[in-house]
Amino acid sequence: GQQLNQSPQSMFIQEGEDVSMNCTSSSIFNTWLWYKQDPGEGPVLLIALYKAGELTSNGRLTAQFGITRKDSFLNISASIPSDVGIYFCAGQLAFGNEKLTFGTGTRLTIIP
Amino acid sequence: EAGVVQSPRYKIIEKKQPVAFWCNPISGHNTLYWYRQNLGQGPELLIRYENEEAVDDSQLPKDRFSAERLKGVDSTLKIQPAELGDSAVYLCASSSRAGGYNEQFFGPGTRLTVL
Repeated sequence: GQQLNQSPQSMFIQEGEDVSMNCTSSSIFNTWLWYKQDPGEGPVLLIALYKAGELTSNGRLTAQFGITRKDSFLNISASIPSDVGIYFCAGQLAFGNEKLTFGTGTRLTIIP
Repeated sequence: EAGVVQSPRYKIIEKKQPVAFWCNPISGHNTLYWYRQNLGQGPELLIRYENEEAVDDSQLPKDRFSAERLKGVDSTLKIQPAELGDSAVYLCASSSRAGGYNEQFFGPGTRLTVL
């Protein structure tokens, strides 16, 4: 099945650094979502974006819905050890059409 | 409030054997999803239920996979017979249309290894 393209595939950073990752699609989506998955757990929703150009924050996380509706970006400021995990973007065609198309994931590792 | 419950958490079987996974969604959630997550990939939808009805099973390999949600609550996903390529994590999620955006809440998954 279709998977959205995420980059980078993995990141190795030091605690306190800022992180940026993005997600691109060949198709337009009307909702963009960002999830975090810890080992042995299911994905947990971090941020949902509903409008092209929208910029939304959740604590140290900020995400943007690209104007073309084919991409989205996630930034994490001042990373802390609990930020370690795999981040997935997901696109949804329309509110009420619940199918999510996930990205390939970005694995975040914090170097001590 | 209890989250989505899945069992077993791990399953190791030999190829050609049958296997079944069980999911109990969050109380009151009428929509239930089964996803498959291959190693190093994001989840991919297999089937979506609205109450008892399978409303999207286009990605379910129907020759060997089956699912049911008889009373609109718990659900079972079955593979018979299993193949080596079925090794993956099978995630169940649920959501409710009440109150606006219907966020999907995921269970911890069942990790299947086919030998």
